[in-house]
Amino acid sequence: EADIYQTPRYLVIGTGKKITLECSQTMGHDKMYWYQQDPGMELHLIHYSYGVNSTEKGDLSSESTVSRIRTEHFPLTLESARPSHTSQYLCASSDRPGTGSNTEAFFGQGTRLTVV
Amino acid sequence: AQTVTQSQPEMSVQEAETVTLSCTYDTSESDYYLFWYKQPPSRQMILVIRQEAYKQQNATENRFSVNFQKAAKSFSLKISDSQLGDAAMYFCAYRSPFGNEKLTFGTGTRLTIIP
Repeated sequence: EADIYQTPRYLVIGTGKKITLECSQTMGHDKMYWYQQDPGMELHLIHYSYGVNSTEKGDLSSESTVSRIRTEHFPLTLESARPSHTSQYLCASSDRPGTGSNTEAFFGQGTRLTVV
Repeated sequence: AQTVTQSQPEMSVQEAETVTLSCTYDTSESDYYLFWYKQPPSRQMILVIRQEAYKQQNATENRFSVNFQKAAKSFSLKISDSQLGDAAMYFCAYRSPFGNEKLTFGTGTRLTIIP
């Protein structure tokens, strides 16, 4: 079982509120990712990190921001939530390809965000 | 940029039968990784099987096997002896060993198991 955790699992919040989605992993992985997934649809990368103090925007434009102060922690923040932010957010982590058998990404259980 | 295509939005199979899910991809790289992930309803995305592009032998994991055709850029998943617990969304994914090493996903195939 993957040691990557996301909280909360479900969040319903009003427009204009600031929210932080938490993601933590205990596998010591350098790389961490945030994907956005609408119901029944593919995943789109919105943020990634190579390691501490390294963050980059992904393919899908997002108004969210991320930080990576500790290896194990990669929170995502929305300063002012809007209904268009309603989606599922999946956090993942991985080791570098070629460092062993761990070439896949491990996923958290996701946070389903609804902004009303 | 790499793209992954899953042309079957939905598939169904009788319990204990065999089903094959299709996936094609486009890349100019010669070295890469391919994956099939399973996402049960409201549950965690988990890895089903992986394939390294430099390996000619098709990967197998118990009832799951792949047919990897590098020249054709095809990566299908075969599920044998289908079980009710196999019902899920299945995503094909590509990972480059370069750059940000992100996963590029297909649009998924929803697999239904008929008892």
